[in-house]
Amino acid sequence: DTGVSQDPRHKITKRGQNVTFRCDPISEHNRLYWYRQTLGQGPEFLTYFQNEAQLEKSRLLSDRFSAERPKGSFSTLEIQRTEQGDSAMYLCASSSEGNTEAFFGQGTRLTVV
Amino acid sequence: AQSVTQLDSQVPVFEEAPVELRCNYSSSVSVYLFWYVQYPNQGLQLLLKYLSGSTLVKGINGFEAEFNKSQTSFHLRKPSVHISDTAEYFCAVRPGGSYIPTFGRGTSLIVHP
Repeated sequence: DTGVSQDPRHKITKRGQNVTFRCDPISEHNRLYWYRQTLGQGPEFLTYFQNEAQLEKSRLLSDRFSAERPKGSFSTLEIQRTEQGDSAMYLCASSSEGNTEAFFGQGTRLTVV
Repeated sequence: AQSVTQLDSQVPVFEEAPVELRCNYSSSVSVYLFWYVQYPNQGLQLLLKYLSGSTLVKGINGFEAEFNKSQTSFHLRKPSVHISDTAEYFCAVRPGGSYIPTFGRGTSLIVHP
């Protein structure tokens, strides 16, 4: 078990470009979460999947954000037309029926210049 | 909606001194409570969790926390801190009927030699 894996670890992009992040959860974890964390703040919930179904989305998730989990395994988070305010750490977490806690990846740090 | 309040944004302490990091939450229903630790540029690692039963829970690295239902608090303590405990600490709450944890804004523990 290698834990939750996120790729890339760091991404620098120009304003207006699209970016996509990938998350590989712990094997057989059916629940997957995306959070956003800005400097000096706690993680803010973005979206939640159970298997391939996206069951909840935060109001923080504007129309420029889209997340998928096509086969109920890995997930992608895409941000279109990035803005400087999108600069943050994007954290992925997963859990299973047998867990009450979420297990986090190391995050993808996005910098929009 | 759930909210989690971490009353101190920063707690400086000398090595080998005791420390308490405070956490209060808003909820009228049963909850699961968690403390996570985050080292620079890393994801979140679970320290301990309260699900039910004994109100005093012990976690990794010598940390413990006490659940107080009447005060809706879940304060984290360690009797003697080490330099390596310097990190960000996040309290999180998950209502019993939800799979989504809500995080506080974090407390930065700074241990001085």
